[in-house]
Amino acid sequence: SQQGEEDPQALSIQEGENATMNCSYKTSINNLQWYRQNSGRGLVHLILIRSNEREKHSGRLRVTLDTSKKSSSLLITASRAADTASYFCATDASGSARQLTFGSGTQLTVLP
Amino acid sequence: DGGITQSPKYLFRKEGQNVTLSCEQNLNHDAMYWYRQDPGQGLRLIYYSQIVNDFQKGDIAEGYSVSREKKESFPLTVTSAQKNPTAFYLCASSIGVGDTQYFGPGTRLTVL
Repeated sequence: SQQGEEDPQALSIQEGENATMNCSYKTSINNLQWYRQNSGRGLVHLILIRSNEREKHSGRLRVTLDTSKKSSSLLITASRAADTASYFCATDASGSARQLTFGSGTQLTVLP
Repeated sequence: DGGITQSPKYLFRKEGQNVTLSCEQNLNHDAMYWYRQDPGQGLRLIYYSQIVNDFQKGDIAEGYSVSREKKESFPLTVTSAQKNPTAFYLCASSIGVGDTQYFGPGTRLTVL
């Protein structure tokens, strides 16, 4: 079952621009995580935001969480060609066995 | 050099054959996971294990089997009962279920 759904499915921007990806989910969560996947590789954890947090920063990444709307956004500022990858949100649902449920991802392409 | 490894990177098998994918971690993590990823899709959970000698079915366990005899190892067997086994298989581990997951590089299985 798909808990998180990313939007848009694909995003293409110029180097230096900001990229924003959104994630919506269905049930209450303990935390929400963002992962990155380069083509044909494993996923790499980027950032975790807990249900009682509203915003978190890590380098050029900014994540927001709105639990009333059951949504999160990932902002990558001053994008680089090396940011080209797929980005997935993953939710840890409250009261469940606590395994993560991943969305279908946003494919980001940063053009040089 | 700590991490999680999967082997082989590419695997080919004939229809009707069972095949076992290896996953090893030296991160001292209790929890381990197997996911399946189809082209352009997110991750779907096959099996997970919270601790040695214990494992639970995920969303798509049919046609797969696992074992967890050692903390470091969580092999996945794709049996002939799996109707459409061609996919990218990712193994992950975490300190506990719901925590940040660390992924291996993946195994691409092709059934000929």
